[in-house]
Amino acid sequence: QLVLTQSPSASASLGASVKLTCTLSSGHSTYAIAWHQQQPDKGPRYLMKVTSGGSLTKGDGIPDRFSGSSSGAERYLIISSLQSEDEGDYYCQTWGTGIDAVFGGGTKLAVL
Amino acid sequence: EVQLVESGGALAQPGRSLRLSCVASGFTFDDYAIHWVRQSPGKGLEWVAGIKWNSDNIGYADSVKGRFTISRDNAKNSVYLQMNSLRPEDAALYFCAKVGLVITPVAFFDHWGQGTLVAVSS
Repeated sequence: QLVLTQSPSASASLGASVKLTCTLSSGHSTYAIAWHQQQPDKGPRYLMKVTSGGSLTKGDGIPDRFSGSSSGAERYLIISSLQSEDEGDYYCQTWGTGIDAVFGGGTKLAVL
Repeated sequence: EVQLVESGGALAQPGRSLRLSCVASGFTFDDYAIHWVRQSPGKGLEWVAGIKWNSDNIGYADSVKGRFTISRDNAKNSVYLQMNSLRPEDAALYFCAKVGLVITPVAFFDHWGQGTLVAVSS
């Protein structure tokens, strides 16, 4: 079964960097994922797609301080020079061979 | 500019029906699959249903299968979600989302709407 696992929470200081992790279930380590940001009381916003090889496809207007990488079954979202508006929930998303999509449980990021 | 605008959310009693709409603009609508995703209060994102560009591939989450029906009208740049036999656990903010690749039934969602709120209560 295709499952994405995320830590429930993370925190980092203003101006610092943070690395969020999304882990693919066993047998699915080659899957690409997408990262979405949801600021408080807003709809989700697509940040980027990350492939197993670490290739990125960013969304429109996503700043360079948002980046991604990949290692084995883990996909990462790296945010540098943290700003207060980066606070919110971050979801990873993937898809299988059918038409269904799968979301991770989300990570709530606090900027201290 | 790509825009997705949802509507149709309301308060409904358990067992009743609602129809949600998603109107799209800013892209060639009939090249892309569209999906519905929901978010219960204080919870994460849950995929609900998806429909391919030509409606020949449709899928549903197990939690809504047999009760919800997704459809689209490419002439109106619209996707619909007919929600029957509503349950309290269907209460959520419902988003439509556009798939980021042409023709394919599902991939990363590269644009989202702002959502429409469904409440289910007697």
